[in-house]
Amino acid sequence: DTAVSQTPKYLVTQMGNDKSIKCEQNLGHDTMYWYKQDSKKFLKIMFSYNNKELIINETVPNRFSPKSPDKAHLNLHINSLELGDSAVYFCASSQMAASGTDTQYFGPGTRLTVL
Amino acid sequence: LAKTTQPISMDSYEGQEVNITCSHNNIATNDYITWYQQFPSQGPRFIIQGYKTKVTNEVASLFIPADRKSSTLSLPRVSLSDTAVYYCLAPLGDYKLSFGAGTTVTVRA
Repeated sequence: DTAVSQTPKYLVTQMGNDKSIKCEQNLGHDTMYWYKQDSKKFLKIMFSYNNKELIINETVPNRFSPKSPDKAHLNLHINSLELGDSAVYFCASSQMAASGTDTQYFGPGTRLTVL
Repeated sequence: LAKTTQPISMDSYEGQEVNITCSHNNIATNDYITWYQQFPSQGPRFIIQGYKTKVTNEVASLFIPADRKSSTLSLPRVSLSDTAVYYCLAPLGDYKLSFGAGTTVTVRA
């Protein structure tokens, strides 16, 4: 009964490939997020969706495209993968809109390695 | 872009108190300051939140001065299991969520 789950946990792929990471939350939350954590532990927000509507879109290459089929799912698709995309990607959810005050619940992370 | 600033790392010994200060000069007026803890190979998890003055729970205390430009997380009597990365989240308004690089706390026996 994991609250926020991500698949896969590890993803190793070649440069230029297209890959997707899936995220699901069973908390009934309205808002979901994607974060990127680099090797220096810097945790940077990429996107946020509230009730399937995009509300945060930080400066992220348009090779990254989030998709929210319903409010319990927020998937991340990445086209034409580059070496610099190697990182750990975290999905999170919160009860209400992305103000930062609402507690966020994080998934276990997906470690992406681009060769 | 204004952001949060915290020390990169701190070392401590078991049984000591650890205090981590985060600077957030441009925190949004109505938003709270939240601290998260992250163990290796796990996602961050909530530990404490406050708006001003002092907040205490079973894990930590949070001190926030009147101007709210900084906050200090206090971990009393740390143990080896408190070794983790600690993040301060201080929203900047307009959905600007800045976690920063966190503070790596290493507790030694």
